[in-house]
Amino acid sequence: AQSVSQHNHHVILSEAASLELGCNYSYGGTVNLFWYVQYPGQHLQLLLKYFSGDPLVKGIKGFEAEFIKSKFSFNLRKPSVQWSDTAEYFCAVKNSGYSTLTFGKGTMLLVSP
Amino acid sequence: NAGVTQTPKFQVLKTGQSMTLQCAQDMNHEYMSWYRQDPGMGLRLIHYSVGAGITDQGEVPNGYNVSRSTTEDFPLRLLSAAPSQTSVYFCATSPYSYSNQPQHFGDGTRLSIL
Repeated sequence: AQSVSQHNHHVILSEAASLELGCNYSYGGTVNLFWYVQYPGQHLQLLLKYFSGDPLVKGIKGFEAEFIKSKFSFNLRKPSVQWSDTAEYFCAVKNSGYSTLTFGKGTMLLVSP
Repeated sequence: NAGVTQTPKFQVLKTGQSMTLQCAQDMNHEYMSWYRQDPGMGLRLIHYSVGAGITDQGEVPNGYNVSRSTTEDFPLRLLSAAPSQTSVYFCATSPYSYSNQPQHFGDGTRLSIL
């Protein structure tokens, strides 16, 4: 079964700091990779996704992620965070040919102004 | 176009009561699923459906039932509520069950069991 590991449960940054959130998955076959964001009191929204091709994918709000197949990783990055990025971030993986999505436990990001 | 609609938004139950969480979508999506979200646990899959008349268990199915009689609706039933089922429940859909399309989430139902 697929498992997803997010390295940091809580991250605290000041505005303008750079962000990198780690995500590793266990299944070695073809995967589809996603990052979702959940703002306080809201539902999950898609930040970005990787299916194939260029391993560096760009999403909304200045976020990007890099897929490194050899490391089973899909880390999320943002060069300069804003207070409005305060949210919980979830990495999710779908094994190609399967219907279900497996989520990591999430990383709570707090950005201080 | 409402997308994914979950009702109710909030509910308080007593232990042993039953209730149904509703999920409706107007996007003609084939795939529908239910997750529960608990602090520090991420989202865990309860049940899912790859089409009308087809359902299957996810990671944490015990205590929950589902059915999918139409494409649009995927209700989640708690037969005898327990305090351990206190959680936020999300319904999610995607256009095709086995494609690489992302899932669309409803606004959630916050459920408390006393």
